[in-house]
Amino acid sequence: EDQVTQSPEALRLQEGESSSLNCSYTVSGLRGLFWYRQDPGKGPEFLFTLYSAGEEKEKERLKATLTKKESFLHITAPKPEDSATYLCAVRDLNDYKLSFGAGTTVTVRA
Amino acid sequence: NAGVTQTPKFQVLKTGQSMTLQCAQDMNHNSMYWYRQDPGMGLRLIYYSASEGTTDKGEVPNGYNVSRLNKREFSLRLESAAPSQTSVYFCASSAREGNTIYFGEGSWLTVV
Repeated sequence: EDQVTQSPEALRLQEGESSSLNCSYTVSGLRGLFWYRQDPGKGPEFLFTLYSAGEEKEKERLKATLTKKESFLHITAPKPEDSATYLCAVRDLNDYKLSFGAGTTVTVRA
Repeated sequence: NAGVTQTPKFQVLKTGQSMTLQCAQDMNHNSMYWYRQDPGMGLRLIYYSASEGTTDKGEVPNGYNVSRLNKREFSLRLESAAPSQTSVYFCASSAREGNTIYFGEGSWLTVV
């Protein structure tokens, strides 16, 4: 069974204080790893898809990286508008369905 | 850009009542999904429809039924609501199975 574990559960940052979120996964074979952002009271918003170890994707202050067992979402010089819950999900080679982690809630203080 | 639209946004039900959550997408996607999200847990798949005319169970299907009404619409029905079904429900769609999934804004359901 696919497993996705995100850490930490919550992260409080000062504006400008860079940090990283972790997503550890267990799959028989990785078809894709997905990052979503979720604002309070809203649905998840797609950020990135990573397919193979060593791959990196960037969007504004966010950069996602992938190894064979985990992915990191790096937030560089965060701003208060980066406050959200970040969700990680994996898709197994044997299945098209996504398995989600519980998320990391990031709060950035001005 | 409407994307994925869900109704209602909020609903309170009494135990044993029935209701249907409606979902429509305007992206011409083939695949549609219903998830539930509970505190401290990841999104869990209830049912999905890989294409018009097909539906399949996900991880937590008990107590729910679905209907893929046409390519645009996918409804979720609770026949006899239970307090354990208090949750936030998200409809989602993708161009086809295996493509990126896009979510609606959510429906908050409370069963008392």
